[in-house]
Amino acid sequence: SQELEQSPQSLIVQEGKNLTINCTSSKTLYGLYWYKQKYGEGLIFLMMLQKGGEEKSHEKITAKLDEKKQQSSLHITASQPSHAGIYLCGADKGDGNNRLAFGKGNQVVVIP
Amino acid sequence: EAQVTQNPRYLITVTGKKLTVTCSQNMNHEYMSWYRQDPGLGLRQIYYSMNVEVTDKGDVPEGYKVSRKEKRNFPLILESPSPNQTSLYFCASSPTGTGGHEQYFGPGTRLTVT
Repeated sequence: SQELEQSPQSLIVQEGKNLTINCTSSKTLYGLYWYKQKYGEGLIFLMMLQKGGEEKSHEKITAKLDEKKQQSSLHITASQPSHAGIYLCGADKGDGNNRLAFGKGNQVVVIP
Repeated sequence: EAQVTQNPRYLITVTGKKLTVTCSQNMNHEYMSWYRQDPGLGLRQIYYSMNVEVTDKGDVPEGYKVSRKEKRNFPLILESPSPNQTSLYFCASSPTGTGGHEQYFGPGTRLTVT
């Protein structure tokens, strides 16, 4: 079964600093989704990457997909307290049934 | 507003007492799914539905039932809840079941079984 490893598990950064979190798959990535979750709340969709080398940005968040490494990275520039939360990556299992496997999350804390 | 709603948001119940968690979406999505989220285990899929009257098991279906009689609703049924089903449950929907689309998640239902 497909496994997604997210690193680092938790990260504390000072407001204004940049940060990068990673999601590495044990199998070929057919589609990679990034979500953000406030503790105990629902998941908010951030970005979807489907092609190797693809890079997308939204406000201060940039996500990239490295197909060869079977890895995606999420970079936040000039972090703010609003960026705090748990970031989850989900990968399409590739069985044609829109099923996603999820990593366990990266917990991000931003200190004012 | 386009959304996925779940009810109830919080539920405490006792072992063996049947319960239903409702899920509804107003986006005319074909695909719906249930997940549970547990510390250290992440988000795992329970059941999914590609369309009306079409449901299939996910990764952890034991102890759960679902039905999809209408496009908008996808209830999760626990016939005889047990303490190991204490978890945070999420319903999600997507335009189609063929992938390539984000899944929209509901706000979650926190279930405690004593």
